[in-house]
Amino acid sequence: DGGITQSPKYLFRKEGQNVTLSCEQNLNHDAMYWYRQDPGQGLRLIYYSQIVNDFQKGDIAEGYSVSREKKESFPLTVTSAQKNPTAFYLCASTQGNEQFFGPGTRLTVL
Amino acid sequence: GQQVMQIPQYQHVQEGEDFTTYCNSSTTLSNIQWYKQRPGGHPVFLIQLVKSGEVKKQKRLTFQFGEAKKNSSLHITATQTTDVGTYFCAGRQTSGSRLTFGEGTQLTVNP
Repeated sequence: DGGITQSPKYLFRKEGQNVTLSCEQNLNHDAMYWYRQDPGQGLRLIYYSQIVNDFQKGDIAEGYSVSREKKESFPLTVTSAQKNPTAFYLCASTQGNEQFFGPGTRLTVL
Repeated sequence: GQQVMQIPQYQHVQEGEDFTTYCNSSTTLSNIQWYKQRPGGHPVFLIQLVKSGEVKKQKRLTFQFGEAKKNSSLHITATQTTDVGTYFCAGRQTSGSRLTFGEGTQLTVNP
């Protein structure tokens, strides 16, 4: 929370389909991040963007794509190339030190 | 690349007992942050430590940053059921760079 919204909270897709997760923030933060969290594990960085129209790969970018056309929005596309897409996806933004996280989207690929 | 390791992975305590989680980085850190994630929730920022040997307290929580700036700990005194959740440390190698999260310590408090 804190001005970051992710929708939907739960998402189901069939294997082989691309799916886009939304992340919107009204905090006027420059930097935004996408993390993946698997059960009992920490947060692994997928992509991040420090400014509009620019983004960098994180540790596990394969099978994912992002765009940053607006400061407020940082959508994440999970492509069919991602071999194990079922996970909890967290978006975050930061201006300075602490990261503010959205409520997350739990993606299940059937 | 930078690695941040956190132990233990799980900790079960009786209400009133103390709890400590430890975080170790493979490289010297510029700063370290701690987050708490309640079950079913998202991580929430607790604190940031910047200086070598720094100690900060938040009520029953005590955070330490090692002298070499490669390790950190979070200690909770007299745990309560509201302390339940997963505690993550996250290190930053240089100022302004990305955070690397530890795997977290999942705390369970039995009433």
